[in-house]
Amino acid sequence: RKEVEQDPGPFNVPEGATVAFNCTYSNSASQSFFWYRQDCRKEPKLLMSVYSSGNEDGRFTAQLNRASQYISLLIRDSKLSDSATYLCVVNRGRGSARQLTFGSGTQLTVLP
Amino acid sequence: DVKVTQSSRYLVKRTGEKVFLECVQDMDHENMFWYRQDPGLGLRLIYFSYDVKMKEKGDIPEGYSVSREKKERFSLILESASTNQTSMYLCASRATVYEQYFGPGTRLTVT
Repeated sequence: RKEVEQDPGPFNVPEGATVAFNCTYSNSASQSFFWYRQDCRKEPKLLMSVYSSGNEDGRFTAQLNRASQYISLLIRDSKLSDSATYLCVVNRGRGSARQLTFGSGTQLTVLP
Repeated sequence: DVKVTQSSRYLVKRTGEKVFLECVQDMDHENMFWYRQDPGLGLRLIYFSYDVKMKEKGDIPEGYSVSREKKERFSLILESASTNQTSMYLCASRATVYEQYFGPGTRLTVT
């Protein structure tokens, strides 16, 4: 089983739509969770951290369910510029050996 | 702005050649990482380093080695390149656990 699993998509949605991505992780000891965004032929960049109580950044909302080991990302009012691959990321290890484990990504295309 | 640079964007090498991929960061980060990214497999960690001259194996270290002689530079070495090492290689650096900064990547083709 992969440590971080995501639906690869692709998700093709019209502008203005609301879209949700889900992710599950296998290591119950994980403490930190993130969503990264990767544009086509570009490097991944941090989109947002995910906190236990859920958090929002503009049109983006992230949720964490530790009991189910499940993370989600909701994008409201989709824009063309939201087209990208969204990577679910979970930490593992401790201290200086702490590393990030990346999911394979969910591809989103927002259509005009 | 944090900047992570990689020595080449595209590289073509022959099977059996020794290949060096260089990565430099300008933010005095302690932690540096090498990943490869393949379709359907996502980013997989090859090696990482949390200090000068320190290195740790990641999930797929076989066929690779690394060198970190200076804090800002982390090199990935393919001792004898093989066709299954054709991939996108991404270097990253990080000061805290919260944000990891990636370089633009090197697309390596081994023929």
